[in-house]
Amino acid sequence: EPEVTQTPSHQVTQMGQEVILRCVPISNHLYFYWYRQILGQKVEFLVSFYNNEISEKSEIFDDQFSVERPDGSNFTLKIRSTKLEDSAMYFCASYLSGAGPIIDTQYFGPGTRLTVL
Amino acid sequence: GQQVMQIPQYQHVQEGEDFTTYCNSSTTLSNIQWYKQRPGGHPVFLIQLVKSGEVKKQKRLTFQFGEAKKNSSLHITATQTTDVGTYFCATGDSWGKFQFGAGTQVVVTP
Repeated sequence: EPEVTQTPSHQVTQMGQEVILRCVPISNHLYFYWYRQILGQKVEFLVSFYNNEISEKSEIFDDQFSVERPDGSNFTLKIRSTKLEDSAMYFCASYLSGAGPIIDTQYFGPGTRLTVL
Repeated sequence: GQQVMQIPQYQHVQEGEDFTTYCNSSTTLSNIQWYKQRPGGHPVFLIQLVKSGEVKKQKRLTFQFGEAKKNSSLHITATQTTDVGTYFCATGDSWGKFQFGAGTQVVVTP
């Protein structure tokens, strides 16, 4: 069974610091996503990435956030200056679908728990 | 953007009973996905529905997409303790933006 991996599993940071969350999507997948989930709440879409560029982003994904695919395998989410309200679980997801964004199976990684103090 | 509302928010079920969770939208949806998230875990994709009136089954789980493509349901028969978790519906637009419902948290009593 293919899997998405994420590192670290838990990140603790001070308010105002920069963090980079890392993801390795499934190797032949084409679409990549970041979501966040505040404890006990719903999964919130942050950004989708296809063909080396952002295809869609939510209102949450402001100038403090950026994504990169620095090489052929990693997909990163950077938060430039963390705020207390950024504390959440961050999930990376990917799917294959070579025929447009109608998904087949979207695989989620195990998540990174970000705690901002 | 497309929004989906889920009811109920919580569902306490006796083991062996059936239950249904619903996902509703005020607009016509192009697709619905259902996910299960175990406590402390990550969302796991269960199914996608795209056709009006579509019904799909996975063992004890039955997924339905409404005729008007504005609602969907997940029905679980003979609930087991392994069914514990939160069930989310979600919908994606043609640009790859997904909206998740608030989820139905299911607690199973043995």
